[in-house]
Amino acid sequence: DGGITQSPKYLFRKEGQNVTLSCEQNLNHDAMYWYRQDPGQGLRLIYYSQIVNDFQKGDIAEGYSVSREKKESFPLTVTSAQKNPTAFYLCASSGGGLPSSYNEQFFGPGTRLTVL
Amino acid sequence: QQPVQSPQAVILREGEDAVINCSSSKALYSVHWYRQKHGEAPVFLMILLKGGEQKGHEKISASFNEKKQQSSLYLTASQLSYSGTYFCGTGIQGAQKLVFGQGTRLTINP
Repeated sequence: DGGITQSPKYLFRKEGQNVTLSCEQNLNHDAMYWYRQDPGQGLRLIYYSQIVNDFQKGDIAEGYSVSREKKESFPLTVTSAQKNPTAFYLCASSGGGLPSSYNEQFFGPGTRLTVL
Repeated sequence: QQPVQSPQAVILREGEDAVINCSSSKALYSVHWYRQKHGEAPVFLMILLKGGEQKGHEKISASFNEKKQQSSLYLTASQLSYSGTYFCGTGIQGAQKLVFGQGTRLTINP
């Protein structure tokens, strides 16, 4: 079955710690995205990547970092510099060629991060 | 800039119709619609590309008016399963990313 997996489902972190959220897809998609969702809010783009070893900042990249060493993997690190990291984090991917905004996005189940 | 969705919330009885609007200040080339159930991932409904086309499946359809930079989602004879938050995502020509609206919460009561 093709899809996107995110782990863990729930994550608790102490203030001042970095934490990495996993995102893996087996859809053979080139483009991958990380979004942040706060209660009652829309989806805000953190980072996105069109190809391996390349990624761009989204609208709220400060305090986050990513890597794209493999096509199927796009991990997100929430650093201690992120002032308010408690949120629901969604990973997505899309295929079908460029431009990516013309293609359907497939979302993973999300990771709920809570900072204690 | 984030597109604006209206209304922010709507409550219907099963069988009633709903319209959700998505407006942008930018010239759009693509509009996506997604539905999200509480605590779950958004699920794709449809994409509309520049050309003013109307798309749909079953009782959910959408239109795209690029002159007005606006898209509308139509839910006809709503079912309980239609409950959730609906998001539009907009893309300008050649864009590699979408910008999502703040969402419209739809509640369907029996």
